[in-house]
Amino acid sequence: GDSVTQMEGPVTLSEEAFLTINCTYTATGYPSLFWYVQYPGEGLQLLLKATKADDKGSNKGFEATYRKETTSFHLEKGSVQVSDSAVYFCALCPPYNTDKLIFGTGTRLQVFP
Amino acid sequence: GAGVSQSPSNKVTEKGKDVELRCDPISGHTALYWYRQSLGQGLEFLIYFQGNSAPDKSGLPSDRFSAERTGGSVSTLTIQRTQQEDSAVYLCASSSGGLAGDIQYFGAGTRLSVL
Repeated sequence: GDSVTQMEGPVTLSEEAFLTINCTYTATGYPSLFWYVQYPGEGLQLLLKATKADDKGSNKGFEATYRKETTSFHLEKGSVQVSDSAVYFCALCPPYNTDKLIFGTGTRLQVFP
Repeated sequence: GAGVSQSPSNKVTEKGKDVELRCDPISGHTALYWYRQSLGQGLEFLIYFQGNSAPDKSGLPSDRFSAERTGGSVSTLTIQRTQQEDSAVYLCASSSGGLAGDIQYFGAGTRLSVL
């Protein structure tokens, strides 16, 4: 079945460091891909999305490119801030079964000043 | 309100009791989803409502779990005879049309603790 695999955390970085959180997926066809973020004490928020191959989603300095050839959607940011500390979830929505998001297990990011 | 609203934010109950969790989706959204977030299990899909169609209940873990959506808006998730393994954060989301690329907007969740 469809699934999402993302790197385990926590990821610990100093402020202004470069961030990569790996995400790969298994799916039939062309799913839509998402990154959601959960800040401490808050609900899930959409960070960015991409709906077709080679699309790049971007928001708040974060980017992820839909790579069909490697079935990946890695999240990157050039310079992290303390305020980016949160749990990041990669997710897919299958094109044939739009009634659910399939999530990865989440990656906790901790940024220290 | 502007976002998805869930109540209560926290619920502590005794094993064997029934609980009801409520979700108010964003006005006008036809699709509503319930997920469960628990330690060691990540985020798992529970149930999906789309308009007047029959709900997709394929993610419900047992027959102790049920959900309804009245008038195409508010939804209630009911857990009967709660067990300790039901302890989790229950998240509700809504989207405008239930299409693959649609954004699902999440509520803050209900944290359920079963003692």
